[in-house]
Amino acid sequence: QVQLQESGPGLVKPSETLSLTCTVSGGSIRSYYWSWIRQPPGKGLEWIGYIYYSGSTNYNPSLKSRVTISVDTSKSQFSLKLSSVTAADTAVYYCARVHGGIASAGDYWGQGTLVTVSS
Amino acid sequence: QSVLTQPPSVSGAPGQRVTISCTGSSSNIGASYDVHWYQQLPGTAPRLLIYGNSNRPSGVPDRFSGSKSGTSASLAITGLQTEDEADYYCQSYDRSLSGWVFGGGTKLTVL
Repeated sequence: QVQLQESGPGLVKPSETLSLTCTVSGGSIRSYYWSWIRQPPGKGLEWIGYIYYSGSTNYNPSLKSRVTISVDTSKSQFSLKLSSVTAADTAVYYCARVHGGIASAGDYWGQGTLVTVSS
Repeated sequence: QSVLTQPPSVSGAPGQRVTISCTGSSSNIGASYDVHWYQQLPGTAPRLLIYGNSNRPSGVPDRFSGSKSGTSASLAITGLQTEDEADYYCQSYDRSLSGWVFGGGTKLTVL
């Protein structure tokens, strides 16, 4: 059974960089797309971006200038960096495996990690 | 403002049938991209409920079904149970954004 686990600081100061890692276990990171999604408290889901195991990426245009997603296949991990954060970036951040091609669904999700942006 | 439009809430009595709509545009659902549905119970991560418009992952009861037509899709839940109370989200791919788009979510209340 594939499992994903997010990790990283739960509190980030305004203007700093949010950094999260998603560790994949129970399956290979190869041959899949991997995605980051976030959910502000009490609100809906927002796609942040995805990365193919080979390293190719695509980002939500609304966040593109601040987002970097990378992958480390040797550690079965992929990571998210979001720079210049503000309170509006406070959210639960989820990582997910994309079931097939980029237009497919997220079939396995991490439990999510709450990141609060506050001084 | 979400790219895909869902009703904020729906409700039904135990045993009844409810449907949740998801309306997009020619850039996503209307461009023949698949629609997927997720169930999110309070305090938990989204769970894939329907993929590829109408397919159920292993373990999802056949009380849940999906359909798609034109620029819209629907999720139907029959034989409502109290444990179905959750938020439901539709998702597709948008060729203008070159990425995923979600509906705003629909809160299902089982009366």
